[in-house]
Amino acid sequence: DARVTQTPRDKVTEMGQEVTMRCQPILGHNTVFWYRQTMMQGLELLAYFRNRAPLDDSGMPKDRFSAEMPDATLATLKIQPSEPRDSAVYFCASGFNRYTQYFGPGTRLTVL
Amino acid sequence: AQTVTQSQPEMSVQEAETVTLSCTYDTSESNYYLFWYKQPPSRQMILVIRQEAYKQQNATENRFSVNFQKAAKSFSLKISDSQLGDTAMYFCAFMFSQGGSEKLVFGKGTKLTVNP
Repeated sequence: DARVTQTPRDKVTEMGQEVTMRCQPILGHNTVFWYRQTMMQGLELLAYFRNRAPLDDSGMPKDRFSAEMPDATLATLKIQPSEPRDSAVYFCASGFNRYTQYFGPGTRLTVL
Repeated sequence: AQTVTQSQPEMSVQEAETVTLSCTYDTSESNYYLFWYKQPPSRQMILVIRQEAYKQQNATENRFSVNFQKAAKSFSLKISDSQLGDTAMYFCAFMFSQGGSEKLVFGKGTKLTVNP
């Protein structure tokens, strides 16, 4: 049963620290999405990759956030420096076509 | 702007009964896709059902079905024979293409509780 995996599951850090979240998409999927979920804003799209190339990162704060796909089996989302307002659950999703996305279990980030 | 509205923040239903969750959306696009996702307390987002806007026939997946009214921009989810495991947050989502990429917009969610 193929699944999207994300690490870490939970992360607590202090303001100013660098945070890196990792995602392993389902083998064979060529699209990867990063979402952020908060109580206030709900689910927001941060970035979107197709065939490892970034297609859209307009939802991502550029000054502190960066997203990359070093290879087809790994996507990363980095925050540097982290701030308390970044506290949220971050989801990665992958798909093999534009109309289907399979979500990972998410990383719950708490920035103190 | 593309928006998705779920007007019912919370709902409850008795086990084995039927419940309908509402969703409306606003778009000027003609080709798009609609989804319902379930998020149980484990926080995993699970795709429940998908509807292509160009299809008139309502999608069905076992106990889950949708009532898609394109002119009214309405996309409700019906859960039949509710089970305790259906307790979760349910999110309606809308996907469209823009500038060569796809965007998925979510509603704020409906918290469904199935009571024994």
